[in-house]
Amino acid sequence: DSGVTQTPKHLITATGQRVTLRCSPRSGDLSVYWYQQSLDQGLQFLIQYYNGEERAKGNILERFSAQQFPDLHSELNLSSLELGDSALYFCASSVVPGGAGEQYFGPGTRLTVT
Amino acid sequence: EDKVVQSPLSLVVHEGDTVTLNCSYEVTNFRSLLWYKQEKKAPTFLFMLTSSGIEKKSGRLSSILDKKELFSILNITATQTGDSAVYLCAVPAGGTSYGKLTFGQGTILTVHP
Repeated sequence: DSGVTQTPKHLITATGQRVTLRCSPRSGDLSVYWYQQSLDQGLQFLIQYYNGEERAKGNILERFSAQQFPDLHSELNLSSLELGDSALYFCASSVVPGGAGEQYFGPGTRLTVT
Repeated sequence: EDKVVQSPLSLVVHEGDTVTLNCSYEVTNFRSLLWYKQEKKAPTFLFMLTSSGIEKKSGRLSSILDKKELFSILNITATQTGDSAVYLCAVPAGGTSYGKLTFGQGTILTVHP
């Protein structure tokens, strides 16, 4: 158990809908990262927040957005969902904002868009 | 753009065998290389290698980093069925995308009894 929690574990929704994925980082970690894992693309970085502020952005679609709240939990919002958005979404956290150190991953949310 | 390539993509061995997994990388401003093990759920951290720590060992697992040739290897000796997993190699980005980890495709290791 990494100490990173994510909810829900599974989510099944229809195309065109909007969902929110939630992540709580390890105690003491200020930085939160979101990754998407699909069979054809592997693990892809989406976005990073540090202490409430956006720090780095990857290949995140405009239909996706995220935020980090004062209590450091983070939410990833996915809207106008398409079949291709079906994937595992991981949240990770680390102590430093973007150092070379390790990131600890949560159990993931499996999103299925039908 | 940062790039990480792992080989082989899959490997099937029997318990007791020794395996070597490879990871080559191209990154602007190298800072570290990380190895993760992913079973059916989240990737779990194994090792971090840096310029000042080019060899790491934990039990039957060990890893080295060759900064000159831009690769790393992960060795697993006396493999067990519990070692079956996907092994991922990653490098953190430099520059303005500091937090981003670029992952390789992973090596799927299957250990048969």
